[in-house]
Amino acid sequence: ETGVTQTPRHLVMGMTNKKSLKCEQHLGHNAMYWYKQSAKKPLELMFVYSLEERVENNSVPSRFSPECPNSSHLFLHLHTLQPEDSALYLCASSQGRGLGQPQHFGDGTRLSIL
Amino acid sequence: AQSVAQPEDQVNVAEGNPLTVKCTYSVSGNPYLFWYVQYPNRGLQFLLKYITGDNLVKGSYGFEAEFNKSQTSFHLKKPSALVSDSALYFCAVRDDSGAGSYQLTFGKGTKLSVIP
Repeated sequence: ETGVTQTPRHLVMGMTNKKSLKCEQHLGHNAMYWYKQSAKKPLELMFVYSLEERVENNSVPSRFSPECPNSSHLFLHLHTLQPEDSALYLCASSQGRGLGQPQHFGDGTRLSIL
Repeated sequence: AQSVAQPEDQVNVAEGNPLTVKCTYSVSGNPYLFWYVQYPNRGLQFLLKYITGDNLVKGSYGFEAEFNKSQTSFHLKKPSALVSDSALYFCAVRDDSGAGSYQLTFGKGTKLSVIP
């Protein structure tokens, strides 16, 4: 079973829709992340959750809203998105916040905004 | 601030030949360095990391990377390339000097094509 599972794999939505991306990790990790991957650009960290706190990238628009109900699940709620939000959204998890801890990624949700 | 550069957008190598994917970094403190690989329609897979110790780090699928502090580099290498190694490779760095220990800074990626 894949360590980090993301659903759906593909999503097409209009700018006025509301949808949610789901991530589930089966690795027993206690930190989870959302990244945005756009063509020709470095990965952009959006949000981080651990047991204790959320770290938020200040440049993330409010139309993206994360939710982490427990250490195994992470959601990204989307509303009133723009065409430039079309990208691959990757979820990752890690064991702890240690500097040497690698992150383990899901296969992503390919989001297209019409 | 931490940063990482991958100077080559694309690297082409013949099957069976050695491959190198370059990465240089900039940090204020000590670097924690990582390599990831991304196959088409997949997420990033962790290959290897350098924290401290031996400058030559061995990882998954026969890959290794050499840490060079004086040149601030962490190049990815493999002695004999396979067609199945064709993918997008990302170098990433963390810095132990300041805040934001969650944040991995990624390079833009290097597309590796192994030609049969």
